[in-house]
Amino acid sequence: GNSVTQMEGPVTLSEEAFLTINCTYTATGYPSLFWYVQYPGEGLQLLLKATKADDKGSNKGFEATYRKETTSFHLEKGSVQVSDSAVYFCALSTSGTYKYIFGTGTRLKVLA
Amino acid sequence: GAVVSQHPSRVICKSGTSVKIECRSLDFQATTMFWYRQFPKQSLMLMATSNEGSKATYEQGVEKDKFLINHASLTLSTLTVTSAHPEDSSFYICSARVQDEKLFFGSGTQLSVL
Repeated sequence: GNSVTQMEGPVTLSEEAFLTINCTYTATGYPSLFWYVQYPGEGLQLLLKATKADDKGSNKGFEATYRKETTSFHLEKGSVQVSDSAVYFCALSTSGTYKYIFGTGTRLKVLA
Repeated sequence: GAVVSQHPSRVICKSGTSVKIECRSLDFQATTMFWYRQFPKQSLMLMATSNEGSKATYEQGVEKDKFLINHASLTLSTLTVTSAHPEDSSFYICSARVQDEKLFFGSGTQLSVL
């Protein structure tokens, strides 16, 4: 079946450090891939998405590239800020179903 | 972006009682809403898909008589955990589909059953 695996947290970084959160997936067909972010006390918000192989999603300095050959969608940011502290969820949906499969979430803590 | 309001954010109840969780779309109409639950250090798991005016579609292994879902209007879906037991303690979160696979999420409800 479909599944998403992402690195366990928490991840603790200093401000301006480089961030990578790994995400790999297993899916039949050609899923769309997403990163969602959850700030404390708020709902999940879409951060970025990619719908086909080699697409790069980007938003707020975050990027992720849909790699079909490695079934990965790693999240990166060149310079994190304290305000990026949140829980990040990798997810996929298969075409036409609108059903999302989520990873376990990775908590990021950025220290000033 | 669209706003989904979920209440309550936290609830503690005694074993055997029922708990209702509300999910409202504040500035849009949501024909489809989804309910998830999350155990500590585990993924968000889809419980059911709720369509306005029709019965919810439950995922395999989810007891429909235990988790009652009602989607009576285009802006409100409710999840009622009936005769709650400690094993039902979990984080429940709703989402509403707008279009183009976009989902907007509520802030979640932490249920603790004593």
